[in-house]
Amino acid sequence: GAGVSQTPSNKVTEKGKYVELRCDPISGHTALYWYRQSLGQGPEFLIYFQGTGAADDSGLPNDRFFAVRPEGSVSTLKIQRTERGDSAVYLCASSFSGNNEQFFGPGTRLTVL
Amino acid sequence: KQEVTQIPAALSVPEGENLVLNCSFTDSAIYNLQWFRQDPGKGLTSLLLIQSSQREQTSGRLNASLDKSSGRSTLYIAASQPGDSATYLCAVRPVDYGQNFVFGPGTRLSVLP
Repeated sequence: GAGVSQTPSNKVTEKGKYVELRCDPISGHTALYWYRQSLGQGPEFLIYFQGTGAADDSGLPNDRFFAVRPEGSVSTLKIQRTERGDSAVYLCASSFSGNNEQFFGPGTRLTVL
Repeated sequence: KQEVTQIPAALSVPEGENLVLNCSFTDSAIYNLQWFRQDPGKGLTSLLLIQSSQREQTSGRLNASLDKSSGRSTLYIAASQPGDSATYLCAVRPVDYGQNFVFGPGTRLSVLP
């Protein structure tokens, strides 16, 4: 398909484990965003990539969270030493450039037991 | 810091009614505003994007307006249908805080047959 895809759709892990969440943006989109959404709330910004570089990582909650986009396409959000409070839906979006319409993927539901 | 609110938090209407959802933001310095729809357990679907220089956008039964100076946007849905039932989120892209969106908490709409 031509939309944003995210894998896995669901991830259950134990407290203290390491997880990786993957995002495949729409082909040709240079901007990529990660958000986190808790139940009943709007998404909260985590990090924004323009090409391969993180243009704004001010939303990452602490140094356990890290994201990469080495070739300017696929991005991976990495969470170390997971905590129960990290449980949420992690959403990825892409856009043609920084000020254009964002298109969202279906999200990855992370549950930390 | 930009804050976005949405009123009402939830709305239930009979099928066929016209309705208005409200979005307010505290800082008028924005690049654009985007309205999204989110079905339970799903990602976000883009509905309308309004650039800061525009006053409204229309798509089918949807019309979104933007009054940047007063920090307000409305989403008008004409002739509502049960299939319109979802959570509607608005998000603004502030000028001063990089390229990330700031989301409102959403309005949960139920259209009763």
